[in-house]
Amino acid sequence: GAGVSQSPSNKVTEKGKDVELRCDPISGHTALYWYRQSLGQGLEFLIYFQGNSAPDKSGLPSDRFSAERTGGSVSTLTIQRTQQEDSAVYLCASNLGLAGSDTQYFGPGTRLTVL
Amino acid sequence: SQKIEQNSEALNIQEGKTATLTCNYTNYSPAYLQWYRQDPGRGPVFLLLIRENEKEKRKERLKVTFDTTLKQSLFHITASQPADSATYLCALRLGFQKLVFGTGTRLLVSP
Repeated sequence: GAGVSQSPSNKVTEKGKDVELRCDPISGHTALYWYRQSLGQGLEFLIYFQGNSAPDKSGLPSDRFSAERTGGSVSTLTIQRTQQEDSAVYLCASNLGLAGSDTQYFGPGTRLTVL
Repeated sequence: SQKIEQNSEALNIQEGKTATLTCNYTNYSPAYLQWYRQDPGRGPVFLLLIRENEKEKRKERLKVTFDTTLKQSLFHITASQPADSATYLCALRLGFQKLVFGTGTRLLVSP
């Protein structure tokens, strides 16, 4: 079956521009996560959606970052007024959102480069 | 502060040998620990999960141990192959449905 997909795979933007990154989770997965991975760094948690509950935004680094999930499926991560330190790979993951099924299924990521 | 440590230096071993990777953590009491594999340009892929009441878990050539007293997990790949070359990440459960990841250790298996 189809896995988690993300688009675009690569994005180059100029400092100060806004960008939108998209994630299509596995069908039926109610939980969706966004992470950021900078060169040589681990995965940094950004935000977590579970069904219709309010998202856990505790990992968002600044108010320039926001995310939404429409219809409990597709999610968009938006970065406003991008800065060079935003350059990283942004990974999306999903899972069934059930207790005991915490394995996360990751997409291939979007590599963001801010010039 | 809470911390997860994996050896940042790459581990180079010869084909056929056993690779052992270490994950140490402080100030956590995780219910379980997971190991993921990440290849360049790809997202992590789940390998194994071990719970706090389990000492050891095996899957084919993979073995994971979990010592909650030492706050350490060891990840072993026996009879390693060049195709095992990748970065391996450990992850701890932090609250319901949330994981915190280590920085990963890169494994290079030479033919």
